[in-house]
Amino acid sequence: GAVVSQHPSWVICKSGTSVKIECRSLDFQATTMFWYRQFPKQSLMLMATSNEGSKATYEQGVEKDKFLINHASLTLSTLTVTSAHPEDSSFYICSARPPPGLAPNEQFFGPGTRLTVL
Amino acid sequence: RKEVEQDPGPFNVPEGATVAFNCTYSNSASQSFFWYRQDCRKEPKLLMSVYSSGNEDGRFTAQLNRASQYISLLIRDSKLSDSATYLCVVNIGVGGGNKLTFGTGTQLKVEL
Repeated sequence: GAVVSQHPSWVICKSGTSVKIECRSLDFQATTMFWYRQFPKQSLMLMATSNEGSKATYEQGVEKDKFLINHASLTLSTLTVTSAHPEDSSFYICSARPPPGLAPNEQFFGPGTRLTVL
Repeated sequence: RKEVEQDPGPFNVPEGATVAFNCTYSNSASQSFFWYRQDCRKEPKLLMSVYSSGNEDGRFTAQLNRASQYISLLIRDSKLSDSATYLCVVNIGVGGGNKLTFGTGTQLKVEL
């Protein structure tokens, strides 16, 4: 299957700092990427849909000014958690959807980034 | 009501057992259905898509009942390596932004 990478794999930061997470599709161009968050023993929750060249679409309850998404190229989307607080500690996972005609409706997931805010 | 509901388990079964998981979804407009597997502290990985006609992949059989809005996964001859959380996933389709909605997952533990 297609490969999606995320960087970093894990990060520990102090409260109040900002953290940037990168998501890359390595072998296909992704016009759409998704950002999820998963708290322990809970389901993956979609945070936002990232569209190349346009603004991200955020799910209800997700603060767009706190979780900044940039999808500047067809292979890279970034999520920046601004002024992180301990309650933002979570497992952040991105996924990428291949172009139409390839694996319709499927998404390929990155390995995730574990964020711990002290 | 949650959009996708699953029994969280855990299901503890002996190696070699047959185990079945169920899932219900609330949106009748849902168009595509999947089972994903997630290992501890890892990303979810697609196990199989689910079709109304039922589909099988080795020891795994998935079934969809659109009338009842019900999805199932059957695992035969369980292996220790099958221990994981199994996520029921639904896609509403283009009208819903082609977004995936995940259930909370059912945890399976296969024991010797």
